[in-house]
Amino acid sequence: QSVLTQPPSVSGAPGQRVTISCTGNISNIGAGFDVHWYQQLPGTAPKVLIHNYNTRPSGVPDRFSGSQSGTSASLAITGLRAEDEADYYCQSFDRSLSAVIFGGGTKVTVL
Amino acid sequence: QLQLQESGTGHVKPSQTLSLNCAVSGGFIHHGSYAWTWIRQPPGKGLEWVGYIYHSGSTYYNPSLKSRVTISVDKTRNRLSLNLTAVTAADTAVYYCARGIYSYGYWWFDPWGQGILVTVSS
Repeated sequence: QSVLTQPPSVSGAPGQRVTISCTGNISNIGAGFDVHWYQQLPGTAPKVLIHNYNTRPSGVPDRFSGSQSGTSASLAITGLRAEDEADYYCQSFDRSLSAVIFGGGTKVTVL
Repeated sequence: QLQLQESGTGHVKPSQTLSLNCAVSGGFIHHGSYAWTWIRQPPGKGLEWVGYIYHSGSTYYNPSLKSRVTISVDKTRNRLSLNLTAVTAADTAVYYCARGIYSYGYWWFDPWGQGILVTVSS
């Protein structure tokens, strides 16, 4: 059971907008710790997609955006494309656990 | 461009010690203020932080693994190492090494190695 809760799966048609939620509590996201997002394509290592809740590294399309409020964060993908099919993970820090924490992951399917 | 490459034994027997290395190329492991990190992923499951070692040499481990984990850096060989003792089947996972980057007060991880599958079985 992950400390950060993500929906197991989301889906959308090409061109649509999908969002992935990441829900924490007052010991992590609610305490002000930034959320980071990773994309894991099938059979590959995770790659950072968004860091510090809304900063995209060089090379990441602006179709990906992050937001954070209260005890939750969200990743939005606009203009959904076939190559966006992957698992997505949120990551933060929990001060009660004194540990880096990850969400359980969300599988995005392009219909 | 910094690259990381894990290596080590892909099969370990229960109660034995898992030992992995992570070769760093394209940069020096002792340069900069980074956290050299191990993260694992059981087959078909999510990611779990194992621990990291700061540039200062300080180490921080996942509390659930703390009694069994040691992370170290070999500056002469420019590599990161992981030892996990008394392994069980629950330690079967793909193990990734990654560089932790500190910005605005928080750590995130980039790049990652390709990962190495370690299976614990008798």
